[in-house]
Amino acid sequence: ETGVTQSPTHLIKTRGQQVTLRCSSQSGHNTVSWYQQALGQGPQFIFQYYREEENGRGNFPPRFSGLQFPNYSSELNVNALELDDSALYLCASSLLGQGPQETQYFGPGTRLLVL
Amino acid sequence: DAKTTQPTSMDCAEGRAANLPCNHSTISGNEYVYWYRQIHSQGPQYIIHGLKNNETNEMASLIITEDRKSSTLILPHATLRDTAVYYCIVRVESNTGKLIFGQGTTLQVKP
Repeated sequence: ETGVTQSPTHLIKTRGQQVTLRCSSQSGHNTVSWYQQALGQGPQFIFQYYREEENGRGNFPPRFSGLQFPNYSSELNVNALELDDSALYLCASSLLGQGPQETQYFGPGTRLLVL
Repeated sequence: DAKTTQPTSMDCAEGRAANLPCNHSTISGNEYVYWYRQIHSQGPQYIIHGLKNNETNEMASLIITEDRKSSTLILPHATLRDTAVYYCIVRVESNTGKLIFGQGTTLQVKP
């Protein structure tokens, strides 16, 4: 167990709707990264939040947005859902500032199905 | 970004050592090699990481060649619970330290 929790575990939405996914980071960590994993693929980096600000972003459109709160927990918001957004969404927490030895610890994920 | 190449799949007999290879010929001098694994539909689990020297922890050993162009993850006594997709990642030296996952190696441990 990593101490990283995510909610909900599963979610079903319809195309065009909006969704919010939540992540609580491991105690002592100050950074949350979000990844999208389509079926049969490796996880793809969406963005990272550090000190409540976006600290890097992958190749995802602006309808993917996020927040980080003072307690370092985080939300991923996706607007105007598309069928291709169906995936496992993973968050990973870490302690930024350790340089290349910073290790990310993943939560169990939220499986989103868009119909 | 440094890329990694791994075999698509491997089999291993239960109780035997599982040796998972990874090629990372374009790795930069101060980029670390990380290994994660993902058991079906769960979040990736951190296993081990290293820079130059061989590393060992309670889960596995990591052997990195002297030229750092390849590495091998060793699970000394594989069990059925080690069946998973194993990802070899060269950690990008950037502000975010984002992880770039490839397709990984599916390890099937058989009785």
